Amino acid sequence: EIVMTQSPATLSVSPGERATLSCRASQSVSSNLAWYQQKPGQAPRLLIYGASTRATGIPARFSGSGSGTEFTLTISSLQSEDFAVYYCQQYNNWPLRTFGQGTKVEIK
Amino acid sequence: QVQLQESGPGLVKPSGTLSLTCAVSGGSISSSNWWSWVRQPPGKGLEWIGEIYHSGSTNYNPSLKSRVTISVDKSKNQFSLKLSSVTAADTAVYYCTLVRGVITNWGQGTLVTVSS
Repeated sequence: EIVMTQSPATLSVSPGERATLSCRASQSVSSNLAWYQQKPGQAPRLLIYGASTRATGIPARFSGSGSGTEFTLTISSLQSEDFAVYYCQQYNNWPLRTFGQGTKVEIK
Repeated sequence: QVQLQESGPGLVKPSGTLSLTCAVSGGSISSSNWWSWVRQPPGKGLEWIGEIYHSGSTNYNPSLKSRVTISVDKSKNQFSLKLSSVTAADTAVYYCTLVRGVITNWGQGTLVTVSS
């Protein structure tokens, strides 16, 4: 099983600032990495797939990068609606699609 | 836009079987996609349970495989989850999802509590 490790667990950021979230895979997942956003009481929402491709309707302030075992989600200028929990997920080791434990982005 | 809606009992007794159904609307369950279940214990992260293709082919999380059955009913455009021998550790919000390589659509989720 591929283990996905996200850091930090919690990220405190002021509105308008940049946020950088990390996700590390225990073995290479190529570019088969997705990011999801989850707000309280809601289902997750797909943000990024293929490590760097934004899903339909996702604002350009969200960007993803990386390949192999190291990945990054960057939110260039945090808006109030971006404070949420973010999960990475690998889908290279199909069918066992494993998630990271999440990073909570909170208001500083 | 494909929409998914979970339904089923919100309370299951320990050692019992959890049964949920996911109704699919706005699209056909016979399309070339996988349909999966994901769960999230209160305050915790996401866990992939398993998935099914309209042909009936399934894949399960090895950690749950001995207790999980996912089935499809094409006539009703829905798929289902059964999890047997449940314990308090199975208390979670259960989501049904549409998988197009990645999870593109999620149901709203349903909380299932395991308690006597």
